[in-house]
Amino acid sequence: AQSVAQPEDQVNVAEGNPLTVKCTYSVSGNPYLFWYVQYPNRGLQFLLKYITGDNLVKGSYGFEAEFNKSQTSFHLKKPSALVSDSALYFCAVRHNTNAGKSTFGDGTTLTVKP
Amino acid sequence: GAGVSQSPSNKVTEKGKDVELRCDPISGHTALYWYRQSLGQGLEFLIYFQGNSAPDKSGLPSDRFSAERTGGSVSTLTIQRTQQEDSAVYLCASSLASGSLEQYFGPGTRLTVT
Repeated sequence: AQSVAQPEDQVNVAEGNPLTVKCTYSVSGNPYLFWYVQYPNRGLQFLLKYITGDNLVKGSYGFEAEFNKSQTSFHLKKPSALVSDSALYFCAVRHNTNAGKSTFGDGTTLTVKP
Repeated sequence: GAGVSQSPSNKVTEKGKDVELRCDPISGHTALYWYRQSLGQGLEFLIYFQGNSAPDKSGLPSDRFSAERTGGSVSTLTIQRTQQEDSAVYLCASSLASGSLEQYFGPGTRLTVT
């Protein structure tokens, strides 16, 4: 079985400050890890993924995430938040031998205040 | 090019009626996924297709739910004898292949069962 936990329902940060949205996962074997963003009244958009290689992956809109195997975490980060980053963020995991099924976390609402 | 499209965008139906939801994936994408997003909750995996076959149907909540895909393209998700608990946003996604690749999501169909 595979699972994802996003321990924070909401994250609030001030514009210009760094942001972190947390994600931990559980899967046997090697995981594929993804972050998606859902802006209000819009569909989910892919942000970044970790498949293999460097633990730090960079994605769209200045976001990055660090894969930590020992802590089974894949936290999403951005050095300087923008008001326009306010959205709902989902972490997802897929087992590398179960090609189709992705398990998503419950989502974290990020609010960036001016 | 065009993204993933879904129809209808909104569907209100009476309890006990059958509904069909349609997904048109990105041209050339061989993998297609269906998810359900209930209010305030994350994405619940329903089923995925590789080509026209569905290797993993484990997420379908009951035998009232079925899905098919023809010609390796359009997919329909059918819910028979709808219940109020079926009310949710149904999301479709596609990817070039299954496995490590990111998914591209459609805007969803909001189903309300009265």
